[in-house]
Parts: sequence; C-alpha cells; structure tokens
Amino acid sequence: DAKTTQPPSMDCAEGRAANLPCNHSTISGNEYVYWYRQIHSQGPQYIIHGLKNNETNEMASLIITEDRKSSTLILPHATLRDTAVYYCIVRANQAGTALIFGKGTTLSVSS
Amino acid sequence: EAQVTQNPRYLITVTGKKLTVTCSQNMNHEYMSWYRQDPGLGLRQIYYSMNVEVTDKGDVPEGYKVSRKEKRNFPLILESPSPNQTSLYFCASSLFPGTYEQYFGPGTRLTVT
Repeated sequence: DAKTTQPPSMDCAEGRAANLPCNHSTISGNEYVYWYRQIHSQGPQYIIHGLKNNETNEMASLIITEDRKSSTLILPHATLRDTAVYYCIVRANQAGTALIFGKGTTLSVSS
Repeated sequence: EAQVTQNPRYLITVTGKKLTVTCSQNMNHEYMSWYRQDPGLGLRQIYYSMNVEVTDKGDVPEGYKVSRKEKRNFPLILESPSPNQTSLYFCASSLFPGTYEQYFGPGTRLTVT
C-alpha cells in the first residue's frame, strides 16, 4: 500500500480555510485517497474520498493532483469544532483489509 | 439515526476476569471490525467480519475473540484480560467489505489492573 506523508501539525484561524496536504507519491492506479478525522479520543469520522477527480461534500473538498502523487483536504470555513487529528489514507478497495491510520495532522483552530 | 454503538464506554477490571464489549450497528452493514488505539501506535485492527458467521484475524488478534451470529452485532470478548490490553477500543462498520467509508463507534476505554 502507498505510504502517506502529512505535516504533524497545522494552525488555522476560525472562519478561514484550512488546507491540509498529503503526499502519496507511490500511489497505485487502483488506490483511493481517503480522509478521516478524530476529535480527541472519539471514534474516527469519515470525511471524504476520491480516486482521480476532485470531490466535494458538505464537510470538505478534496483536491487530487493530476499525477495523483499528492492531495489537499480543504475545510472551507474552519470552526473550533474542526480541531482534530486528520488522517490521509491511501488504499485499494480490497475486501478484508484494514484502514491503516498513520500519525496524521493535528489541526488546531483558534478564534 | 444511523449509528454504531458500543457498551460499556468505560470499564475498569482486573487481570483474568472475562469481559465482553458489545458493538451494534443499525445500518444493515455487512462488514464490521474492531480496532484498538494506543499512544504512539495508532489504530490497529484486531478482528474483522465480512458477514454473518464470517470472521478473520486482523493485525493484533492475540488475547481476543469475536463472534458474528447476527448481522448487527459484533461483540469483542477478552477471555482472560491482561494489563497489556488496557487500551481504547473502537468498533467500525461499512456497507460492504472492501469499502473504506467506515463508521466508527464512540469507543470503549478499558483499563486492566
């Protein structure tokens, strides 16, 4: 499975966009990019996923570069409740295999 | 409301006393799994189930048992808990095996003394 690299921490002002980068230079053609977040000791929460095209839902946008070697999760208007650890996960949709959570990026949103 | 529930949320027990952590989902999901989360080690999969009566080991299955007699329930059993099983446990489910849009429960914090 492709390895991902994320910055350990980022800060963001409330109301501003939070752009969280992820490098996955060894990603294979059938691997998806998934983003989850975990708010202090709560269960991880699915945010968004994509294969090639940019994706948007009610929580966030996912921008994947054309070569698919990196991606950016965008929270358009960060709030204090978005303070969490954000995990970028690259994985093919294969039955029986686990999500592999790395260290993620700790996003701190302040007022 | 679609959700994964776990009980108990907190448990302190002693070495060797059998315990069960329950997990239930109301989304008719086929796939369910258990993870443990430890500082510095991240989330690691213990067991998973691709459907009723189908279970398999994850990365750290030693000391744990599971069963899947009904689609909605996937209990985690510790027959003889030890202090190294002190951890934060999460149950998760997804519609089908192989999809990674998983829904996680709120967690069970277990302390074994």
